[in-house]
Amino acid sequence: QSALTQPASVSGSPGQSITISCTGTSSDVGAYNYVSWYQQHPGKAPKLMIFDVSNRPSGVSNRFSGSKSGNTASLTISGLQAEDEAVYYCSSYTSSVVVFGGGTKLTVL
Amino acid sequence: QVQLQESGPGLVKPSQTLSLTCTVSGGSISSGGYYWSWIRQHPGKGLEWIGYIYDSGSTHYNPSLKSRVTISVDTSKNQFSLKLNSVTAADTAVYYCARDKGVHYDFWSDPIGYYGMDVWGQGTTVTVSS
Repeated sequence: QSALTQPASVSGSPGQSITISCTGTSSDVGAYNYVSWYQQHPGKAPKLMIFDVSNRPSGVSNRFSGSKSGNTASLTISGLQAEDEAVYYCSSYTSSVVVFGGGTKLTVL
Repeated sequence: QVQLQESGPGLVKPSQTLSLTCTVSGGSISSGGYYWSWIRQHPGKGLEWIGYIYDSGSTHYNPSLKSRVTISVDTSKNQFSLKLNSVTAADTAVYYCARDKGVHYDFWSDPIGYYGMDVWGQGTTVTVSS
């Protein structure tokens, strides 16, 4: 299983929206709605932000949304806030194996 | 609410076995339907899935680590464990345990989604060095 491909970094100003892409293949991201997104602040454990491509766990802000088109999933954060600055990882579950993306560092300018 | 806590040696010598335990509190590891997982993160790098044990006792591992990894569960202690043998400096990382809620199904038992890892331990740093 190859790692999913994410941009190394994205940035945006407070109040703006940003989108992070996660590209896989027709065997993982494209095959099922088994895409999750995690947020990780420095020195902290990851936090589940999105599951099933577009569902938010209880307690996660509705500023976070997910989508998928073909073999690429996307995480959109609207109304950027300083606290959103973190590294974001996508993940896909396929054939009983979990694969993560390389992570995207979000900088809030 | 369920909490997870990793424990184990912070320093392991090369060629030896890394052994970590994850203690589950606030809920029973036998409650069913969860994949009890291990994930690691090399210094300054991304997340790497190691594997999980399902409540039936079945395991699934990262193919790149499969030959060296064993995940087991001790229901009497509400713990699950990771063993990684023949370690090298490349195994130096922060190791996390997590609860993975796994695949969910519709009324006809067809898979319709994957919940992801909703509870994580704080992580423990393991250094492989002589």
